[in-house]
Amino acid sequence: DADVTQTPRNRITKTGKRIMLECSQTKGHDRMYWYRQDPGLGLRLIYYSFDVKDINKGEISDGYSVSRQAQAKFSLSLESAIPNQTALYFCATSDPDRGLDTGELFFGEGSRLTVL
Amino acid sequence: SQKIEQNSEALNIQEGKTATLTCNYTNYSPAYLQWYRQDPGRGPVFLLLIRENEKEKRKERLKVTFDTTLKQSLFHITASQPADSATYLCALDTQGGKLIFGQGTELSVKP
Repeated sequence: DADVTQTPRNRITKTGKRIMLECSQTKGHDRMYWYRQDPGLGLRLIYYSFDVKDINKGEISDGYSVSRQAQAKFSLSLESAIPNQTALYFCATSDPDRGLDTGELFFGEGSRLTVL
Repeated sequence: SQKIEQNSEALNIQEGKTATLTCNYTNYSPAYLQWYRQDPGRGPVFLLLIRENEKEKRKERLKVTFDTTLKQSLFHITASQPADSATYLCALDTQGGKLIFGQGTELSVKP
């Protein structure tokens, strides 16, 4: 089983609908992240969380919200989806106990979202 | 604002040659830099990390250099193989424990 699991893997929705992407991890890491990937733009950070009580905005948080339900779960919501939120979304975790500020990131397999 | 740039054009090389990918950054002084590999439809996978006080790091056929004066990292794959074909991403740490990524360079190794 994957260490970082994202659901759904693919989703097509319509403008204005509320969408939730879920991420769960079995690595025991405190830090979790949501990135979106668009062709030619690379990975951009949406939100990140360093523990259950800590939520921080990333580069492109407008139009998104998150919930850290437990150490192992971090969900990303689009309250009212719009077409320019069509992208590939990745959840990632990291372990700061390695002595580095961030450490390497462990990514899920991605959730492809299409907003029509 | 912080900016990371990688070769936007795909790199095509012959099997057995050395592939060299470039990562340039501006307006920032990262404590370390990371390289990831991403295959189509998959999540990125960590390859190497190099710190600001390290000039070079090696792992098997991979070599990374980090020049903080030039604000540049070079990623080399020696004796390249078709299985090395993928997109390679560089990422810089930022204060506060975030990583920011370049847009990636697609490498294609032909037999």
